[in-house]
Amino acid sequence: GIQVEQSPPDLILQEGANSTLRCNFSDSVNNLQWFHQNPWGQLINLFYIPSGTKQNGRLSATTVATERYSSLYISSSQTTDSGVYFCAAANTGFQKLVFGTGTRLLVSP
Amino acid sequence: DGGITQSPKYLFRKEGQNVTLSCEQNLNHDAMYWYRQDPGQGLRLIYYSQIVNDFQKGDIAEGYSVSREKKESFPLTVTSAQKNPTAFYLCATRQALNTEAFFGQGTRLTVV
Repeated sequence: GIQVEQSPPDLILQEGANSTLRCNFSDSVNNLQWFHQNPWGQLINLFYIPSGTKQNGRLSATTVATERYSSLYISSSQTTDSGVYFCAAANTGFQKLVFGTGTRLLVSP
Repeated sequence: DGGITQSPKYLFRKEGQNVTLSCEQNLNHDAMYWYRQDPGQGLRLIYYSQIVNDFQKGDIAEGYSVSREKKESFPLTVTSAQKNPTAFYLCATRQALNTEAFFGQGTRLTVV
């Protein structure tokens, strides 16, 4: 089945800095999502982006399906951005999401 | 209030006991999924269901069972055959193919 790899595994930023999180997948996809897991464990939907580019406030995401990667951009980071960011992809008819191991982000004041 | 409700939030179980985790949704979504998360890891798929009265094994189904008797409900039973049940369990739903999945708030299961 499809494999999903995320980088970097850990990221420490000063408040106000920008960052790029990367997600590589091993096969073509028909579903790709980015999530933010807060300290209580809840998964917050950030983007549903099997292809193209989307923006939501300080966050934006781009998926280049032909090159098998997706990127999440965080601009002007805030302490509330801290947590774990997951990329998840699917390429089967039932669209079983396969998760990467996440990027743990810490934004310090 | 609409959404996905998982209960209980925390659950403690003695070794050798079966326990059932609840997942209820009022979003009228067809597909429902159960994932397991271990500390510092990503999520792994246990079981999923596309329609009522039908479900499929995921990647780590051993020691778990499910039912889908109603569209709104997809309970997960952790049986005594599951060797390492202590984990965070998350339920997800999706309206249809090619739409995004949404997650409940999770249940933390601890075997004592």
